[in-house]
Amino acid sequence: NAGVTQTPKFRVLKTGQSMTLLCAQDMNHEYMYWYRQDPGMGLRLIHYSVGEGTTAKGEVPDGYNVSRLKKQNFLLGLESAAPSQTSVYFCASSYSGTLAPNTGELFFGEGSRLTVL
Amino acid sequence: SQQGEEDPQALSIQEGENATMNCSYKTSINNLQWYRQNSGRGLVHLILIRSNEREKHSGRLRVTLDTSKKSSSLLITASRAADTASYFCATDAFRSHSGGSNYKLTFGKGTLLTVNP
Repeated sequence: NAGVTQTPKFRVLKTGQSMTLLCAQDMNHEYMYWYRQDPGMGLRLIHYSVGEGTTAKGEVPDGYNVSRLKKQNFLLGLESAAPSQTSVYFCASSYSGTLAPNTGELFFGEGSRLTVL
Repeated sequence: SQQGEEDPQALSIQEGENATMNCSYKTSINNLQWYRQNSGRGLVHLILIRSNEREKHSGRLRVTLDTSKKSSSLLITASRAADTASYFCATDAFRSHSGGSNYKLTFGKGTLLTVNP
């Protein structure tokens, strides 16, 4: 059981380039999330999705776009990368909210390390 | 903005000692979760405590929750070198259910625990 898989694991971009991070989960989870982790800042929510075809903004959505065309996939796009987007990006998924019997636990991928020069 | 705030930011102890980490938050919650992150890896769920619970145990972990003080603590007993990691608390802010479901976690900045052999 793979859980949450992120690709690519590492990427170096030049300012202004675009790219897409792919997140795939095989647990049939409804909810999916993209976080970024920066030193001293903890994890901050970029965008999330509560089901196929839906997306919503998180805490730091500017400069990012997302799509959830299939339930198992959640894509994070950078249209014009900036050095401030250098970070480690984590995808996570969960069954749903706090409705029983769900515990609300998030399952995380191993991260995608992005450097923008 | 961060909902949960861990304290201390860093903690160094000897193997066999107990480690205590604290988390404070600002708004009412449904539940509070603790996660662990090994260096260079994704976050892993440790334990969840609901707002109507005061204490919960899981193996060598003990979590307490004081909703009147808006704080939680994570105790790791008889620590091992393998417990070396960053520990994060995460909260879901309370929201009324108005026909739709919405669920997202807000993470603190973490406590870096180092257990020396």
